[in-house]
Amino acid sequence: KAGVTQTPRYLIKTRGQQVTLSCSPISGHRSVSWYQQTPGQGLQFLFEYFSETQRNKGNFPGRFSGRQFSNSRSEMNVSTLELGDSALYLCATAWTGGYSSYNEQFFGPGTRLTVL
Amino acid sequence: GESVGLHLPTLSVQEGDNSIINCAYSNSASDYFIWYKQESGKGPQFIIDIRSNMDKRQGQRVTVLLNKTVKHLSLQIAATQPGDSAVYFCAESPTGNQFYFGTGTSLTVIP
Repeated sequence: KAGVTQTPRYLIKTRGQQVTLSCSPISGHRSVSWYQQTPGQGLQFLFEYFSETQRNKGNFPGRFSGRQFSNSRSEMNVSTLELGDSALYLCATAWTGGYSSYNEQFFGPGTRLTVL
Repeated sequence: GESVGLHLPTLSVQEGDNSIINCAYSNSASDYFIWYKQESGKGPQFIIDIRSNMDKRQGQRVTVLLNKTVKHLSLQIAATQPGDSAVYFCAESPTGNQFYFGTGTSLTVIP
């Protein structure tokens, strides 16, 4: 079956702009998590959506937001981009999310965002 | 946020040898831990997980050890192969849905 897809794969923006990234989960997966990956900070949790509701949220400013649609596809938005927002943004999807490896997260390839 | 750190940023091993990658976590409330492997240009890939009610779990060629007393996690890879070269991350979670990752250890397998 198809894996997690993220679009676009690469994006270049300038400071002050906003950006929207998209994540399409594996069929049947209802939990979608977003992460920011940078060389110095590793992977940092942004938020997790389940059934169109934000279920968990990390420690990121309000400029980072997300949403999930009824088909479980998710988007994340970053407004007023800063240079420090340059990173690889990964989404990970799971059946429901939880403790069992049956609900393991499958990661997409990521969107590489560069802010100039 | 949580603090999950790795003892060594890089590790080089000879093909066929065993590899041990270590991880320290800070939240004693975390009860679910996962090891991920990330190859260049790809997203992290699940390797193995462990709940806090266990101290050891084995998979195919991999073993995860959990020491809750000292908040330490390790990943052992048996008979390391060139295809094992990647960055390895440990992740902890107190909820099962929200994960905190370390900065990663880069494993290089020398043929």
